[in-house]
Amino acid sequence: SQELEQSPQSLIVQEGKNLTINCTSSKTLYGLYWYKQKYGEGLIFLMMLQKGGEEKSHEKITAKLDEKKQQSSLHITASQPSHAGIYLCGADIPNAGKSTFGDGTTLTVKP
Amino acid sequence: NAGVTQTPKFQVLKTGQSMTLQCAQDMNHNSMYWYRQDPGMGLRLIYYSASEGTTDKGEVPNGYNVSRLNKREFSLRLESAAPSQTSVYFCAINQRISGANDLTFGAGSRLTVL
Repeated sequence: SQELEQSPQSLIVQEGKNLTINCTSSKTLYGLYWYKQKYGEGLIFLMMLQKGGEEKSHEKITAKLDEKKQQSSLHITASQPSHAGIYLCGADIPNAGKSTFGDGTTLTVKP
Repeated sequence: NAGVTQTPKFQVLKTGQSMTLQCAQDMNHNSMYWYRQDPGMGLRLIYYSASEGTTDKGEVPNGYNVSRLNKREFSLRLESAAPSQTSVYFCAINQRISGANDLTFGAGSRLTVL
């Protein structure tokens, strides 16, 4: 079965600092997406990556999928308290119509 | 989280009690899912429904039943709740963009079983 490993499990940064969260797969990724969750709220879709080497940005968040399509990174530039939450990577399970998820990375941004 | 509505948002049960979590979508998508989220374990799929009238077991189906009576609604039932079922439950629909899965989640239902 395909597994996703996220690192780090938790991260505390000072406001204004940059940070990176990684998501590594045991198998080739055919659709990798990033979600964010705030406490008490649902999961919010951030970005989806499909092609090796693909990079997408949304405001100050950039996600990349490596050429081999087995690792993705989520980079936040000049973090703000509004970036705090749990970041979750997910991936398609080919031909199954289902997805698998990492365990999540809890981000705290100190003012 | 417009488009996927879950109820209730919070529930406290005693061991052995039963309850149903409701999920409704207004986006006319075929695929619907129930996940549970536990600290350090990420999201785990309980059951899913590829289309109206069909359901399939996911990763952790034991202790749960589901019902997909129409395209809009997908309910999750706990017949005899156990403390191990204390969790946050998420319903999701699959929008399937460009051949890849793209899930939209409800706001979650926090369940505590005493």
